[in-house]
Amino acid sequence: DVKVTQSSRYLVKRTGEKVFLECVQDMDHENMFWYRQDPGLGLRLIYFSYDVKMKEKGDIPEGYSVSREKKERFSLILESASTNQTSMYLCASSRRGAFFGQGTRLTVV
Amino acid sequence: GENVEQHPSTLSVQEGDSAVIKCTYSDSASNYFPWYKQELGKGPQLIIDIRSNVGEKKDQRIAVTLNKTAKHFSLHITETQPEDSAVYFCAASNTNREGYQKVTFGTGTKLQVIP
Repeated sequence: DVKVTQSSRYLVKRTGEKVFLECVQDMDHENMFWYRQDPGLGLRLIYFSYDVKMKEKGDIPEGYSVSREKKERFSLILESASTNQTSMYLCASSRRGAFFGQGTRLTVV
Repeated sequence: GENVEQHPSTLSVQEGDSAVIKCTYSDSASNYFPWYKQELGKGPQLIIDIRSNVGEKKDQRIAVTLNKTAKHFSLHITETQPEDSAVYFCAASNTNREGYQKVTFGTGTKLQVIP
């Protein structure tokens, strides 16, 4: 079975902190994605990557950056966390259909 | 870019009845349509998918239909059970100009199956 692992289930950070969300997949997929999930808005794409060191902006990239140094690992970075970034963050990898991690619920206070 | 609309946002059915969730998409280049089920506290899980060269696909109590001309696709769950209660997401996928896959999701349907 495909496994996508996110490093934390719950995180609480202060406004202005730099936040790293890590995601690892074990199926050698080229494509990896970061989404945020908010009530009534579904899943919105932040960034995606189709190869090592490659990245492309999704629909809501502002306030985020990403890093893909290795094929299996895709990191989401909040350079200076703000309260409007409080959300559930979901990582996915895919070759065709996407396989998701369990999510990280981030609260910025 | 692609835009996927999903209806209804909430759906309550009696156990044993059928449930239907509908989605529309805007980009005629989309060629792959997966459906995901998200249970409480978990990430979405792929439950069924359909490709653009197929009009219908069935897997036990779950079926998906696709109308390419009208750009809409639907999820049908028959003989619903309490464990079907979850949030369901439709999605549309195509390759971007570099040839890589991009997936756009609907806003989700919260299905409640009443025992």
